Amino acid sequence: AQSVSQHNHHVILSEAASLELGCNYSYGGTVNLFWYVQYPGQHLQLLLKYFSGDPLVKGIKGFEAEFIKSKFSFNLRKPSVQWSDTAEYFCAVKADNAGNMLTFGGGTRLMVKP
Amino acid sequence: DADVTQTPRNRITKTGKRIMLECSQTKGHDRMYWYRQDPGLGLRLIYYSFDVKDINKGEISDGYSVSRQAQAKFSLSLESAIPNQTALYFCATSDRTGTGGDGYTFGSGTRLTVV
Repeated sequence: AQSVSQHNHHVILSEAASLELGCNYSYGGTVNLFWYVQYPGQHLQLLLKYFSGDPLVKGIKGFEAEFIKSKFSFNLRKPSVQWSDTAEYFCAVKADNAGNMLTFGGGTRLMVKP
Repeated sequence: DADVTQTPRNRITKTGKRIMLECSQTKGHDRMYWYRQDPGLGLRLIYYSFDVKDINKGEISDGYSVSRQAQAKFSLSLESAIPNQTALYFCATSDRTGTGGDGYTFGSGTRLTVV
């Protein structure tokens, strides 16, 4: 079965710092990739997704992610974080052998200090 | 109204009690899921249902049961609650591709405390 790893469990940044959150998956076939965000006290919401085409995907609120197939990675980036980006971020993967179900990473809790 | 509604939002219950968490959706999705979220453990799948007659165990189904009463309703029961079932529970839905729209649509969660 495929797995999704988010190696950074907790990240603390100051406002205006750059952000990169790692996501690696274990499946070698065709994948669809997602990043979800969970703001404090709220449910998970879609941040961005990749299905095919340009491996650099732009999402809401200035976030982007790059799919690097050779590295099995889909890292999330933002050039300059804001206090309002404080949240938990989940990477998710749909592999073509997984019955159209998503596998979620363990999440990364981001705290942005004002 | 929210696309995926969970009730109750918060619940405190005693050890040994039976409790039901309810989820309803207006997305028209076939698939529904129950997850629990614990600090540091991410989202873990409890049960999922591909349609009304297709219910499957997830990775942590022990101590839980589910019922898919209709396409739009999927409830999770704890037959005899225990303290380590204290967690945040999320219901989610998806279409058959798993990737239509936002992929999965999540409810706002039920925070369950077992004392």
